[in-house]
Amino acid sequence: GNSVTQMEGPVTLSEEAFLTINCTYTATGYPSLFWYVQYPGEGLQLLLKATKADDKGSNKGFEATYRKETTSFHLEKGSVQVSDSAVYFCALSSISGGSTLGRLYFGRGTQLTVWP
Amino acid sequence: NAGVTQTPKFRVLKTGQSMTLLCAQDMNHEYMYWYRQDPGMGLRLIHYSVGEGTTAKGEVPDGYNVSRLKKQNFLLGLESAAPSQTSVYFCASKGTAALLAGAYNEQFFGPGTRLTVL
Repeated sequence: GNSVTQMEGPVTLSEEAFLTINCTYTATGYPSLFWYVQYPGEGLQLLLKATKADDKGSNKGFEATYRKETTSFHLEKGSVQVSDSAVYFCALSSISGGSTLGRLYFGRGTQLTVWP
Repeated sequence: NAGVTQTPKFRVLKTGQSMTLLCAQDMNHEYMYWYRQDPGMGLRLIHYSVGEGTTAKGEVPDGYNVSRLKKQNFLLGLESAAPSQTSVYFCASKGTAALLAGAYNEQFFGPGTRLTVL
């Protein structure tokens, strides 16, 4: 089946620190991988995505590389800001068995707090 | 474009009461979804719809019903609320155009409804 396991939080960092949030997955078919971000009081927004092995998704200084050999999609940012404080969700979408639904399977979320 | 909107934003119910959550999207998307978000659980799919007049069960459908009478609206109903249904509910929608080209269509999320059942 399809599932996502991501690093449990909370993660607390000082501004300009390096961020890594680990994410691994199991999937049938050929999954696409995503990171969503949820700012306080808001819905989820797509942060970045990668649709095939070795693709690198990037946005707002965040990056994640689709590693098929390790079934991973770790989120990284070289220098976090206070405004990055949010909950981050790793997710996969697998289109297999003829289904075109492409539903999302989410990890449990990682709370990131960045202090000035 | 308003995107995906949800009403109400907050609601408190007593056990056994019923209510309907409304999701509306103005992007002409075919697919719509209802998720619930619980601490430490991520988002779990309750029900979804692949088009007007069609609905299907997700991971955690028990205690909920849905309807998609109009393409732009997806309603989530609780017939007899229970404390276990205390959660934040998110609606999302997605188009299908890119699927035809083998790509992925982004799911767009609403701001959520915080429901407490006493």
